[in-house]
Amino acid sequence: RKEVEQDPGPFNVPEGATVAFNCTYSNSASQSFFWYRQDCRKEPKLLMSVYSSGNEDGRFTAQLNRASQYISLLIRDSKLSDSATYLCVVFTGKLIFGQGTTLQVKP
Amino acid sequence: DAGITQSPRHKVTETGTPVTLRCHQTENHRYMYWYRQDPGHGLRLIHYSYGVKDTDKGEVSDGYSVSRSKTEDFLLTLESATSSQTSVYFCAISDRLAGDVANNEQFFGPGTRLTVL
Repeated sequence: RKEVEQDPGPFNVPEGATVAFNCTYSNSASQSFFWYRQDCRKEPKLLMSVYSSGNEDGRFTAQLNRASQYISLLIRDSKLSDSATYLCVVFTGKLIFGQGTTLQVKP
Repeated sequence: DAGITQSPRHKVTETGTPVTLRCHQTENHRYMYWYRQDPGHGLRLIHYSYGVKDTDKGEVSDGYSVSRSKTEDFLLTLESATSSQTSVYFCAISDRLAGDVANNEQFFGPGTRLTVL
């Protein structure tokens, strides 16, 4: 079993839609959680950290459920520019990256 | 954007040849990392460095070595390249161990696409 698992997608949604991604992790001792964004053939960049109480940054909301060991990312009012791969990342002594979920927002 | 460059950006080589990839930073960050990214896998850590001449292995270190003689440079060497090492290689930096606290970001270079024939 992979330490961090994501549905690779792709998720195809129309502009303006709300889309949610989930990610599960296997190590209950994991300490910190992040979502990174990676555009096609580019380097990953930090999108947001995920706090225990949940956190929001504009149209993006991240949630952490430690009991069930999953993290979620909600994107509201999707834009064409949101098309990318979203990487779930967990810190357990080192960063462990999921394989990513691909989002394609269509006009 | 963080000042990280990687060279070369693209390379095609033959099985059995040595290859060295270079990562250069202008941020004076203590930690530097080498990852590889392959379809179906997340980014996987090859080696990392926590200071000049201080390095440690990651989860996929076999067949790779690294050196860090200056704060700004971190070299990844494939001693004898194999086709299984065809991949995209990313260098990353952070000013403390990346991820140990929220908002402790790891900054990535633009990547090197390596093809081993």
